[in-house]
Amino acid sequence: AQSVTQLDSQVPVFEEAPVELRCNYSSSVSVYLFWYVQYPNQGLQLLLKYLSGSTLVKGINGFEAEFNKSQTSFHLRKPSVHISDTAEYFCAVSDSDTDKLIFGTGTRLQVFP
Amino acid sequence: GAGVSQSPRYKVTKRGQDVALRCDPISGHVSLYWYRQALGQGPEFLTYFNYEAQQDKSGLPNDRFSAERPEGSISTLTIQRTEQRDSAMYRCASSATRESSYEQYFGPGTRLTVT
Repeated sequence: AQSVTQLDSQVPVFEEAPVELRCNYSSSVSVYLFWYVQYPNQGLQLLLKYLSGSTLVKGINGFEAEFNKSQTSFHLRKPSVHISDTAEYFCAVSDSDTDKLIFGTGTRLQVFP
Repeated sequence: GAGVSQSPRYKVTKRGQDVALRCDPISGHVSLYWYRQALGQGPEFLTYFNYEAQQDKSGLPNDRFSAERPEGSISTLTIQRTEQRDSAMYRCASSATRESSYEQYFGPGTRLTVT
């Protein structure tokens, strides 16, 4: 069965600093990878996705992620965070045979002024 | 256009009561998914539909949980004889086509509290 591990439950960072949120997955087949963001009292919003092709994917709000097949990782990065980036971030995986998403436990990004 | 909507947004019920949670997907979306999210956890898959057909219900925890989508649009997730462990956020998502199931759009969720 597929699984997703988000190693950090909380990441505190100061405004304008860079940030990396880590995600590792386990799968023996081709996968699609996603990052979702959840702002307080809102639904999940897709930040970016990797389906195939270039291993560096760019998403909304200045975020990007790099797919690393050998390390089974899909870490999310942003070079300079804003207060408004404070939210919960979820990494998810699905494979080409199933339609369901498998989510990690989430990383709470807290940006301080 | 309108996104995925869910109702009610909050539901408090007493143990043993039945509850029905509604999901209204984006108009024209073929696929509809239900997830459950416990506090401090990521969403966990429950079931999904393509049109009115339930394709996978492997994530439903037991036979107290059921879901339907009779006309291929609105879906209802029903929990019978609720228990305190059923308390969670229940999330619905939809996608445009079967081939684009990776593009899932989520609703705001229904927060269920069983007392």
